[in-house]
Amino acid sequence: GAVVSQHPSWVICKSGTSVKIECRSLDFQATTMFWYRQFPKQSLMLMATSNEGSKATYEQGVEKDKFLINHASLTLSTLTVTSAHPEDSSFYICTGRVVLQETQYFGPGTRLLVL
Amino acid sequence: DAKTTQPPSMDCAEGRAANLPCNHSTISGNEYVYWYRQIHSQGPQYIIHGLKNKETNEMASLIITEDRKSSTLILPHATLRDTAVYYCIVRSQGGKLIFGQGTELSVKP
Repeated sequence: GAVVSQHPSWVICKSGTSVKIECRSLDFQATTMFWYRQFPKQSLMLMATSNEGSKATYEQGVEKDKFLINHASLTLSTLTVTSAHPEDSSFYICTGRVVLQETQYFGPGTRLLVL
Repeated sequence: DAKTTQPPSMDCAEGRAANLPCNHSTISGNEYVYWYRQIHSQGPQYIIHGLKNKETNEMASLIITEDRKSSTLILPHATLRDTAVYYCIVRSQGGKLIFGQGTELSVKP
């Protein structure tokens, strides 16, 4: 299957700082990328849908000014958690959808800990 | 997209077939059934998807009932590495993957 990478794989930051997470599709072009968040012992929650070259669409209850998403190319999407707080500590996972196909491939996830 | 119902947990003996059920009674005609799994602390892994009848690949088989209201994922010879949370998701073409609680499968020696 297609490969999606995320960087960094884990990050620890102080409360109030901003953190950027990169999501790259390594061997395919993803016109659409999705960002999920997962708290311990819970399922994945969809945060937003990102289409290359256009603004992201956020799910209800997700603050678009706090979670900035940029999808500048067919192989790269970034999620920036602005002014992070301890409650933003979570496992963030991205996924890319292959052009003309329906299967989505997930990245390995980024674990964020805000102190 | 239609909701799915899965048992919260299941056990399976190593080497035996693991049969994971999923109910999706409100599925509509253009919706596919997808299965993903998530091994602890990793991103979800695509397993298989189908529209009707049976699909098979190198990982698993997916059997969808004739009325499409339920399906079963079959891992033919479960190994300890198949221990994971398995998610059954119904999605229309171009739709989003919305995860439910899934089934936690424990493969035991």
